[in-house]
Amino acid sequence: GAVVSQHPSRVICKSGTSVKIECRSLDFQATTMFWYRQFPKQSLMLMATSNEGSKATYEQGVEKDKFLINHASLTLSTLTVTSAHPEDSSFYICSASPPGSMNTEAFFGQGTRLTVV
Amino acid sequence: QKEVEQNSGPLSVPEGAIASLNCTYSDRGSQSFFWYRQYSGKSPELIMSIYSNGDKEDGRFTAQLNKASQYVSLLIRDSQPSDSATYLCAVDTGRRALTFGSGTRLQVQP
Repeated sequence: GAVVSQHPSRVICKSGTSVKIECRSLDFQATTMFWYRQFPKQSLMLMATSNEGSKATYEQGVEKDKFLINHASLTLSTLTVTSAHPEDSSFYICSASPPGSMNTEAFFGQGTRLTVV
Repeated sequence: QKEVEQNSGPLSVPEGAIASLNCTYSDRGSQSFFWYRQYSGKSPELIMSIYSNGDKEDGRFTAQLNKASQYVSLLIRDSQPSDSATYLCAVDTGRRALTFGSGTRLQVQP
């Protein structure tokens, strides 16, 4: 399958600081990437759709000024959690689908475990 | 009503048995259906995709789709302890992003 790489895999930050998470498609170009969040024992919830060359689309209830998304190239999307608080501690996962793939067959990055202390 | 529903489990089966995982969805217009496996602390891994009614087999895995009943299932034959994980049902409702169920935790007992 296609390869999506996410970095870092784990990060611990102090409350009030910002954290940047990178998502890269290694062997294909992705005009669209998706960012999900998963709290313990819960399912993945879509946060936003990252669009190359244009603004991200945020799901209802997700603060766009807090979760900044930049899709500067066809292989890289970044999610920056600004002014992080302990309630932002979660597992953040990105996904992308290779062009020409069947419908929305999505491949996920390794995920980033964010802990805000 | 949740868009994608799964029994949270745990579903416990003995090694070598068939594990049957079920999922229902609410959006009748959904076209694409996926099963992902997620180990604790890891991101989901695509196991099966299915787009038309009927069965689709891949090795020990068989996905079944019934659009009239809005039901999709995953059968795992000859279950192994390494199959122990959470299985996520995901549906594309036409938004390109996937809507996930809450997952069923499978435990395969050696």
